[in-house]
Parts: sequence; C-alpha cells; structure tokens
Amino acid sequence: GAVVSQHPSWVICKSGTSVKIECRSLDFQATTMFWYRQFPKQSLMLMATSNEGSKATYEQGVEKDKFLINHASLTLSTLTVTSAHPEDSSFYICSPLAGGGTDTQYFGPGTRLTVL
Amino acid sequence: QKEVEQDPGPLSVPEGAIVSLNCTYSNSAFQYFMWYRQYSRKGPELLMYTYSSGNKEDGRFTAQVDKSSKYISLFIRDSQPSDSATYLCAMSPPGRRALTFGSGTRLQVQP
Repeated sequence: GAVVSQHPSWVICKSGTSVKIECRSLDFQATTMFWYRQFPKQSLMLMATSNEGSKATYEQGVEKDKFLINHASLTLSTLTVTSAHPEDSSFYICSPLAGGGTDTQYFGPGTRLTVL
Repeated sequence: QKEVEQDPGPLSVPEGAIVSLNCTYSNSAFQYFMWYRQYSRKGPELLMYTYSSGNKEDGRFTAQVDKSSKYISLFIRDSQPSDSATYLCAMSPPGRRALTFGSGTRLQVQP
C-alpha cells in the first residue's frame, strides 16, 4: 500500500496555542487531501477536502478559520489548529488521494492532539 | 439516523473462529465499499475494497456487498489474536472520494 506519514504523531499543548500537523505522501502525488477527525470510541468524521493549489472545502460545522489547511504541493499538506481548546483534543488523520482514477484510499498514521 | 450503521461490539471470539462483521447503510448512491482495520492509536489500514455488489476474497478475508439490501459484510476465517482491532466499514458514491465511515466494531480474538 501507499506510504503516508504524519508529524507529529502526538502533541500536547496549552489552551490558546496553535498546532501544525504535517501529512506527506511518500511514494505518490496527492492531488486531493482529506482531513478526518476521530474522537475516542467514535468513527472518523471528514473535516475538509483540499486540492493542490486550491482553497479547502470544509464540512458543515467545521470552522475554516480555526482549522487552516494548506495543500501547497502534491506531497505535503498541513492542518493548523489555531487557538486550540480542550474540545479540539482528538485524533487527526489525513488521507491523500492520488490522481489518475485511483480508487483505493489510504490513511496516515494519525496525530493525537491533547489540549490542556 | 446515521448514513452508515455498524454495531460497535465488542465482539469476542476464540482463536480459529469465523468472524462476521456487518454494516448497513441508507444512501443508495454508495458504490464503493471498503473495510479498514484500525489498531489502537493508529491510522486505519485498508483491508478490502469492493465496487458495487458482489464478493471479493483475499486470503482469510471475504467482503460481500448486497446493494439491494444496503448491507455489507466482512468475514474473517481462522481468526487470530493479531486480528484483534477495530474494524471500520467505509463507503462513498461515485464522484465523491471522501468516505463515510461506520462507527467501527471492536473485535477481540481470544487465544
């Protein structure tokens, strides 16, 4: 399967600070990047979709000014949680999608964010 | 009502048992169906992918899709303790590549 990396794998921060999460597709170019969030014992929920070089499209209920997504290249996307609060504590997972009609989707290993 | 329903379990079986995991869905537009395995604090790992109705087999895993009943299944034969994980079904309609996930079923295979 495809190799996807996320950094950091876990982070603890104080309330009010910003946290940047990086997602890299290591062996393919991702024209589209999905960012999901998973709360404990719950399923993955789509937060936003971004295409390389374009603004991200956010799902209903996800604040675009709070969760900043940058998809500046075909192998790197970043999610920045701005002014994080304890309720933002979650497991954030990226899913890059290759172009060319590929049907399978792979996921990064996830980043566990804990906001104190 | 959720678009995808999945029994959260936990489902506990003895080693060697056949495991049956299921999801139902309400959106008839779903055409792509996947099963992922997720270990604790890890990202989902793709196990099986099927398009539209039918069966697909890969080693000990068999995926079935019954679109008429809006029901999908994953069977695991000769289950092993290493199969203990949360299994997530996921699906999407054509043209929308983001996935809608079930809540996941936690499986425990007892040695």
